[in-house]
Amino acid sequence: AQTVTQSQPEMSVQEAETVTLSCTYDTSESNYYLFWYKQPPSRQMILVIRQEAYKQQNATENRFSVNFQKAAKSFSLKISDSQLGDTAMYFCAFISTSGTYKYIFGTGTRLKVLA
Amino acid sequence: DSGVTQTPKHLITATGQRVTLRCSPRSGDLSVYWYQQSLDQGLQFLIQYYNGEERAKGNILERFSAQQFPDLHSELNLSSLELGDSALYFCASSVDTGLRGIQYFGAGTRLSVL
Repeated sequence: AQTVTQSQPEMSVQEAETVTLSCTYDTSESNYYLFWYKQPPSRQMILVIRQEAYKQQNATENRFSVNFQKAAKSFSLKISDSQLGDTAMYFCAFISTSGTYKYIFGTGTRLKVLA
Repeated sequence: DSGVTQTPKHLITATGQRVTLRCSPRSGDLSVYWYQQSLDQGLQFLIQYYNGEERAKGNILERFSAQQFPDLHSELNLSSLELGDSALYFCASSVDTGLRGIQYFGAGTRLSVL
C-alpha cells in the first residue's frame, strides 16, 4: 500500500532564509503525481507545487522548488527567501494514476517563519 | 478567494443525526472533490465527481454519500453521525477529469458532532 511520510512535525526558519521540508513515499507504481499543499492559519488548502513522476526535471514555482528523487522515493520542498506569509502547515500528497485512484496525504509539517 | 463556495461554514449537530454539506465549484470546473480533515485521521480524500458522475472513491464511509447536480454543485450527505465524524470538510474543484489536476479548495465546513 502507498504511504507518505513527513518526518518533521515542526520546523522554523528565519525570514529571508531557505528551508527544506522532507517527504518520502512508498509505492510500487511507476506513474504517479506528487503535490505539496500549504494550509495557512486560515485553514484553506492551497496548491504549492506539483511533480509528475515521469518527468525528471524538478518542478519550480517562484520561490518554491522540489528535489524529486524517484529511485529514493523522496520529494522534498525547498522554500527560498522565506517570508512571514509562508507560515503554514505543509502537506505532501501522492496520487496514483494507475486507475486505483489512491490519494494519500502525509501528516504535515508545521512551518513557522520568524521575523 | 479560490472561487469555490462551501456552505455552511460551521455546523453543530448531535450524534445520530444527518447533515448535508454544499459545494459550488469554480465557474467552468466540472470536477468536484470532497476531503475530510480530522485530528485522528489527518487529511483524507473522500470522493470525486465529474460532470455528475462518480469518478473516484477514496476513504468514504458507507454512512456518507455525495452527488453532483446538473448545475455542477455538489452535496455531501453524512448520516448516523458519530463523534469521530467531527472534522473540517473541504470541497475542491478542477477542470481535470481525474485527481492529478490543479484543484482549488473552498474554505471548508467545520462539523462538530456533540
